[in-house]
Amino acid sequence: DTAVSQTPKYLVTQMGNDKSIKCEQNLGHDTMYWYKQDSKKFLKIMFSYNNKELIINETVPNRFSPKSPDKAHLNLHINSLELGDSAVYFCASSQGALAGAEEQFFGPGTRLTVL
Amino acid sequence: QQPVQSPQAVILREGEDAVINCSSSKALYSVHWYRQKHGEAPVFLMILLKGGEQKGHDKISASFNEKKQQSSLYLTASQLSYSGTYFCGTENIRGSGNTGKLIFGQGTTLQVKP
Repeated sequence: DTAVSQTPKYLVTQMGNDKSIKCEQNLGHDTMYWYKQDSKKFLKIMFSYNNKELIINETVPNRFSPKSPDKAHLNLHINSLELGDSAVYFCASSQGALAGAEEQFFGPGTRLTVL
Repeated sequence: QQPVQSPQAVILREGEDAVINCSSSKALYSVHWYRQKHGEAPVFLMILLKGGEQKGHDKISASFNEKKQQSSLYLTASQLSYSGTYFCGTENIRGSGNTGKLIFGQGTTLQVKP
């Protein structure tokens, strides 16, 4: 059974389009995260949710909007895509809200390419 | 604010040892270590929560020097399977404005050759 899953795995789209990435975890964890990994492999936190409540919102353009319908799902919607949005987006989860104290489980990633 | 890892890249022969360092300019609550293979997700190796704590995982271990605000990852008798990019992730001491957030270093690429 896949612990943290993401769809789609690859996403190729034109500038200006709107797209969504979905994430689901079956670990029963309370906290979920979105990370962006750029072409230089820099892994940066974007958002985190604990029991559907937004607890971390980094300096991310407001074109990015996360949504957590329940604690097992965290989706990421991106409006008006730009070339600089091209990256691999990882979803992750951890048991509690204390990110620094607990192991994070990462999904397989979604490679977004904006043309 | 981002922790600094050194070296940036290491090339080893099977059986050799390596040390990867992670330094922060902020007081640390915890240090995580993850390994990421090409095209895959980062995979958790270990967390160090206390100053001076050391942990082991097969032939991979780590130490955390809270006073120096740094951690080191030790890979002994390296195997081909150790190849990948190693990331440290740090969380600053609570109350410094970074509670609940891991900040990752830039990564250290390790290549183990036969």
